[in-house]
Amino acid sequence: GQQVMQIPQYQHVQEGEDFTTYCNSSTTLSNIQWYKQRPGGHPVFLIQLVKSGEVKKQKRLTFQFGEAKKNSSLHITATQTTDVGTYFCAGRASRNDYKLSFGAGTTVTVRA
Amino acid sequence: EAQVTQNPRYLITVTGKKLTVTCSQNMNHEYMSWYRQDPGLGLRQIYYSMNVEVTDKGDVPEGYKVSRKEKRNFPLILESPSPNQTSLYFCASSFLGQGTAFFGQGTRLTVV
Repeated sequence: GQQVMQIPQYQHVQEGEDFTTYCNSSTTLSNIQWYKQRPGGHPVFLIQLVKSGEVKKQKRLTFQFGEAKKNSSLHITATQTTDVGTYFCAGRASRNDYKLSFGAGTTVTVRA
Repeated sequence: EAQVTQNPRYLITVTGKKLTVTCSQNMNHEYMSWYRQDPGLGLRQIYYSMNVEVTDKGDVPEGYKVSRKEKRNFPLILESPSPNQTSLYFCASSFLGQGTAFFGQGTRLTVV
């Protein structure tokens, strides 16, 4: 079955630095989504990427979907304490496949 | 306010005592699903439903039941809970074909 893997599992970042988290699928994805879960909270939708090679930005967050639609990345610039949390990617194998497969997440901590 | 509501938020129970976790959404979403979240494993789908009376197994359905008698409700039933079902559970809903999943606040279940 489809597997979605994320690396790294943990990311400890100095405030102000940049970092990237990666998501890789064993199969081609129809689309990929990213969610953020704050400590003690629930996952909250951030963005969806659909097209091969697509790049989207949300302020300091840059999301990219690979050309082969099997991988994705989230890059955060100038990390702030508000970026603390776990970032999940989730993908669907096809447009008619409503099942979302989540990666294990990257948990981000920030040192001031 | 658009939301997914789960109850209870916290539950401690004993092995073998049947329990139900309720989930309700007010967004007229067709698709609803249940996930469990365990450290290092991310979100694993238990069951999902694409509409009333239409349900299917996710990745980890053993020991769980669901029903979808009404569009807005999707309860999760544990007929005979066991300690390995101790976990954080999330209900989520979305429109069919659209990526954005709205998550409930979560139910932390402990089975002793």
